Amino acid sequence: EVQLVESGGGLVQPGGSLRLSCAASGFTFSSYEMNWVRQAPGKGLEWVSYISSSGSTIYYADSVKGRFTISRDNAKNSLYLQMNSLRAEDTAVYYCARSIHQWGWFDYWGQGTLVTVSS
Amino acid sequence: DIQMTQSPSSLSASVGDRVTITCQASQDISNYLNWYQQKPGKAPKLLIYDASNLETGVPSRFSGSGSGTDFTFTISSLQPEDIATYYCQQYDNLPITFGPGTKVDIK
Repeated sequence: EVQLVESGGGLVQPGGSLRLSCAASGFTFSSYEMNWVRQAPGKGLEWVSYISSSGSTIYYADSVKGRFTISRDNAKNSLYLQMNSLRAEDTAVYYCARSIHQWGWFDYWGQGTLVTVSS
Repeated sequence: DIQMTQSPSSLSASVGDRVTITCQASQDISNYLNWYQQKPGKAPKLLIYDASNLETGVPSRFSGSGSGTDFTFTISSLQPEDIATYYCQQYDNLPITFGPGTKVDIK
């Protein structure tokens, strides 16, 4: 059974940093592209970042470019999101999601981890 | 960026009704359009990919159609468990963008 489990969310002050993790199981992690998608409270879905299966190709939404860094450790079946210079508008539930055909569609999602940026 | 719009933003229908949601892209996206269902407090779930392909395990009452800029999502016979918000998503160009969602509930 495919499972994606996010962790690392919490309350952080504006300007602070946080590192999210996503532990994958039930599939060959190193063969799949991965993404982070977020959802602000009561709002819609916003794609954040994509990483290829090898980690060699990475893309970001403009809203996080230069502040967030996506990475993966295929030996540990894990995906990460390092978030720096956090802003109030980064407050959201962050989901990791497996994608098919590069960034095509997201066939499995984690349960999400809440990041709250507030003083 | 490709803008996605959905209509209606919400709807209320009776069990057994046929429900239709439309999604429009701001430019031609071929068939690079997916549909998700999200129940409150849960992660989104993929229902339809490439405009009309039913994801494995998804009930056949769900269907999708369209190409270019105009797409339609249909629930042929609404069931109580279909209460959710539905999102379209394009992947023709980065950044990936989602529609604003359509909230479906039971009348």
